[in-house]
Amino acid sequence: NAGVTQTPKFQVLKTGQSMTLQCAQDMNHEYMSWYRQDPGMGLRLIHYSVGAGITDQGEVPNGYNVSRSTTEDFPLRLLSAAPSQTSVYFCASSYSGGHSTGELFFGEGSRLTVL
Amino acid sequence: DAKTTQPNSMESNEEEPVHLPCNHSTISGTDYIHWYRQLPSQGPEYVIHGLTSNVNNRMASLAIAEDRKSSTLILHRATLRDAAVYYCIQGGGSNYKLTFGKGTLLTVNP
Repeated sequence: NAGVTQTPKFQVLKTGQSMTLQCAQDMNHEYMSWYRQDPGMGLRLIHYSVGAGITDQGEVPNGYNVSRSTTEDFPLRLLSAAPSQTSVYFCASSYSGGHSTGELFFGEGSRLTVL
Repeated sequence: DAKTTQPNSMESNEEEPVHLPCNHSTISGTDYIHWYRQLPSQGPEYVIHGLTSNVNNRMASLAIAEDRKSSTLILHRATLRDAAVYYCIQGGGSNYKLTFGKGTLLTVNP
């Protein structure tokens, strides 16, 4: 049981480049989400999904796109990277999104640097 | 989005109890109170969550005020491995947006 798997773990981009951060979970969780964490800060919610085909915006969605075509995968796309998107990105999943049985399982993080 | 208030940092001695406070004065009737912790260079880890009643698990206890505007995470015997940033979050009832603040940095002294 791998849990939540994020790839890549490290990435360096140039301004304007695009890339996709991958997130996969093997726990059949309906809820998945993406957070970013900047130095000395807490985690800020970017986008989330409550099931395949359903996504919604979090606190800081600008500059990021998501889709959820399967229960297992929730990729995060940066269409035109900017230095302000330099951060550590965490993917998380849970059975129900934080309800009575909800517990978020986090991946190990993806460290992105935009030059 | 819902916000909680926590002290920036706290200090404890090993094998002593630790009480981490959290204020959530804007909590709605369906919001749960969640606690996570984050060790350096790792993703957050679930600790405990509850709605109205006090909750216990193998990691910690959660004491929720009667008016639900505050809660306290209790680590019964702190160990060096408990040194981490602890996040208190309200949400998860009808709100799927679990918002993490800056949390409380817990230092455990040997």
